[in-house]
Amino acid sequence: QQQVKQSPQSLIVQKGGIPIINCAYENTAFDYFPWYQQFPGKGPALLIAIRPDVSEKKEGRFTISFNKSAKQFSLHIMDSQPGDSATYFCAASGSWTGFQKLVFGTGTRLLVSP
Amino acid sequence: AAGVIQSPRHLIKEKRETATLKCYPIPRHDTVYWYQQGPGQDPQFLISFYEKMQSDKGSIPDRFSAQQFSDYHSELNMSSLELGDSALYFCASSSAGTGAYEQYFGPGTRLTVT
Repeated sequence: QQQVKQSPQSLIVQKGGIPIINCAYENTAFDYFPWYQQFPGKGPALLIAIRPDVSEKKEGRFTISFNKSAKQFSLHIMDSQPGDSATYFCAASGSWTGFQKLVFGTGTRLLVSP
Repeated sequence: AAGVIQSPRHLIKEKRETATLKCYPIPRHDTVYWYQQGPGQDPQFLISFYEKMQSDKGSIPDRFSAQQFSDYHSELNMSSLELGDSALYFCASSSAGTGAYEQYFGPGTRLTVT
């Protein structure tokens, strides 16, 4: 059972567009929600993360929106560029586990066309 | 900034052989996590160590074992390799002891079992 559900599976946008990737979780004990970017054959790179006590966080062109009541969070990429073409994973972890193992979504393959 | 180092980067083994993967965490990080990523899949948590003690265990086969050494590097030992073990293996590190949730991933080891 996938504890973190991610959609869409793939996404194509034009350069300058704003792709939006959505994730939903069930376990209310999760209290840390990061997003990772992964290029083929490379390790996941931490992009941005949020805690449930805030509803939005921005870092550069990346924004996380968090809806605690709906148990959903999303990633927005402003002014997307072809170099943003990669697979994006949302994840969740909880301090109740003691050492915050990450539970990942299934990933979204983003293609930004020139 | 120093990142997580993994070696080897590529490894080819035959069925029933053994393999050892190494991970060197970011300096001053006290926690190491191991993840397995199959083709087109999300990373799956295997095992983690905090201050040289196993802190959590995920879907790690009994054929696999791991440990963290006094210098905080970690090794994942895999025996009786099966074709299904072919995957990317990532190590991540964090400073969990300070309450920091951020996990930083290494470049991974691509294991191919033939």
